[in-house]
Amino acid sequence: AQSVTQLGSHVSVSEGALVLLRCNYSSSVPPYLFWYVQYPNQGLQLLLKYTTGATLVKGINGFEAEFKKSETSFHLTKPSAHMSDAAEYFCAVSEQGTYKYIFGTGTRLKVLA
Amino acid sequence: DAGVIQSPRHEVTEMGQEVTLRCKPISGHNSLFWYRQTMMRGLELLIYFNNNVPIDDSGMPEDRFSAKMPNASFSTLKIQPSEPRDSAVYFCASSPGTGWAYEQYFGPGTRLTVT
Repeated sequence: AQSVTQLGSHVSVSEGALVLLRCNYSSSVPPYLFWYVQYPNQGLQLLLKYTTGATLVKGINGFEAEFKKSETSFHLTKPSAHMSDAAEYFCAVSEQGTYKYIFGTGTRLKVLA
Repeated sequence: DAGVIQSPRHEVTEMGQEVTLRCKPISGHNSLFWYRQTMMRGLELLIYFNNNVPIDDSGMPEDRFSAKMPNASFSTLKIQPSEPRDSAVYFCASSPGTGWAYEQYFGPGTRLTVT
């Protein structure tokens, strides 16, 4: 069965530091991959998605993610953290022929001044 | 575009009462999803509609839960009778297509507290 693993339920970084949030998936067929962000008391908002083509995907708010098939990973990065990036981030995969997302358990990002 | 609209945003009710949550998807979207989010279980898919037809309700926890989509612009999730363990944030999401390539657009959620 398809699964998604997000390493680290909580990540803290200093303002201006690199943000790295990890996501690994299990699938025999490369899936479509998504990163969502959830700010407090709000719904999930799409940051970026990978479907096919270029493996480095750029999203909103300066975030990007790289699809690495050999590592079954789709880690999210941002070169310089901003206080406004503090939120919970969810990785999700969808599998060919299905409509379902499989969500990771989420990573709460804290940005320290 | 107003996005996905959910009402109410907050609901506090007593155990045993009926609760109805409402969702208006984005116009033109033909897929609609109801999710439940809790600290313990994360995001759970409850039910999926395509073109107003329920396709998969395997995530609905019990017969106390029911969902309808009478037309393309409105859906409800009903809990009757409600129990304290139903306390959670319920999200509605819509998608412009059917299948794995389409992103889902989430509403702001309804925070349900059952006392």
